[in-house]
Amino acid sequence: DAGVIQSPRHEVTEMGQEVTLRCKPISGHDYLFWYRQTMMRGLELLIYFNNNVPIDDSGMPEDRFSAKMPNASFSTLKIQPSEPRDSAVYFCASSSPGIGQYFGPGTRLTVT
Amino acid sequence: GENVEQHPSTLSVQEGDSAVIKCTYSDSASNYFPWYKQELGKRPQLIIDIRSNVGEKKDQRIAVTLNKTAKHFSLHITETQPEDSAVYFCAASKGNNDMRFGAGTRLTVKP
Repeated sequence: DAGVIQSPRHEVTEMGQEVTLRCKPISGHDYLFWYRQTMMRGLELLIYFNNNVPIDDSGMPEDRFSAKMPNASFSTLKIQPSEPRDSAVYFCASSSPGIGQYFGPGTRLTVT
Repeated sequence: GENVEQHPSTLSVQEGDSAVIKCTYSDSASNYFPWYKQELGKRPQLIIDIRSNVGEKKDQRIAVTLNKTAKHFSLHITETQPEDSAVYFCAASKGNNDMRFGAGTRLTVKP
């Protein structure tokens, strides 16, 4: 298995633009997580899904952030409109009961 | 909700020495405690985990201990090597879902 796949790996955009981050979990994993990592705030859980259903989105910072999981092999995290303070590395992770979470390579987002 | 505290924030050791990182958690219902290693510019990688029905777990040079009564758990690395240099994160969760991470410990192993 290729592991968790994320795209793009780097994204540079201007303030106000829409940003869409993509994730393909490990096949067979039924949990998917979105995290944000910054120097100031560390690693924060934004939202997680179980069997494609959002379970807890209490970590989503604002209404500008939304996440979807239309099927077991794909999820998106969208920011609209983006702001400079959204600049961070966004990680997707997947897991199954009884095993740890496996992280993707991350998307480094820069909003200017 | 769960709150995880991690100490120290930075740790420098001489190659061959041992390193210990400690974490405390607040939610007594937490039952899963993984440790992640993150090298510069890379993703966090799971290196070892422990569940609440176990007090200690070892994997080669790495060991984790858990004290449920005191709500703290620790990572022990023996015979440290320069390639052990990284940021280490502890985490706690109920099951494997709503995971909360510590702030991280930057470990430097000096040759």
